[in-house]
Amino acid sequence: AQSVTQLGSHVSVSEGALVLLRCNYSSSVPPYLFWYVQYPNQGLQLLLKYTSAATLVKGINGFDAEFLKSETSFHLTKPSAHMSDAAEYFCAVNIGFGNEKLTFGTGTRLTIIP
Amino acid sequence: EAGVTQSPTHLIKTRGQQATLRCSPISGHTSVYWYQQALGLGLQFLLWYDEGEERNRGNFPPRFSGRQFPNYSSELNVNALELEDSALYLCASSFHKGAIETQYFGPGTRLLVL
Repeated sequence: AQSVTQLGSHVSVSEGALVLLRCNYSSSVPPYLFWYVQYPNQGLQLLLKYTSAATLVKGINGFDAEFLKSETSFHLTKPSAHMSDAAEYFCAVNIGFGNEKLTFGTGTRLTIIP
Repeated sequence: EAGVTQSPTHLIKTRGQQATLRCSPISGHTSVYWYQQALGLGLQFLLWYDEGEERNRGNFPPRFSGRQFPNYSSELNVNALELEDSALYLCASSFHKGAIETQYFGPGTRLLVL
């Protein structure tokens, strides 16, 4: 079984400030982890994914995430927030083995304060 | 390259009716996934099709069903619609099956049940 917990359903940061969105996972096998972004009235867009090749993953739009097995975490960061980053962010886990499905966290709505 | 497309964009039905939602995957992709994004319930996995076969389904009643055609496009059918079926239905596709594969999402079909 697998699950994802996103701490903070709403996060507000000032433009130019650090963005930190938290994600913790639970998995009985080594997981593959994903961060997706959803803009209003749109589908999901992949930001980045962890596939065990490297623990620090670089994504699009200046976002990064670090896989920490000891903390079962995969937090999303961006050094400097931009107004266009306002959206909802979802962390997801997939364990495969014939059970290929994304299990999503509840999402974090990011608001950027001008 | 065209992304995942879904039709219709919006669908309004009444209780007890049937709804049919369609999805065309990215060219070359063989796996199609369906997810429901309902208010207050988050993103939940519905169905996974690969090479024309249903491979996995989420915790949804049998009135949620679908199929995948030889050209890998897919259809989701919801019978005996209930008010709580109102949601955004997202389709995703991946190049192959496997947890490591990125799932690319379409813009969704918004279903409203009156």
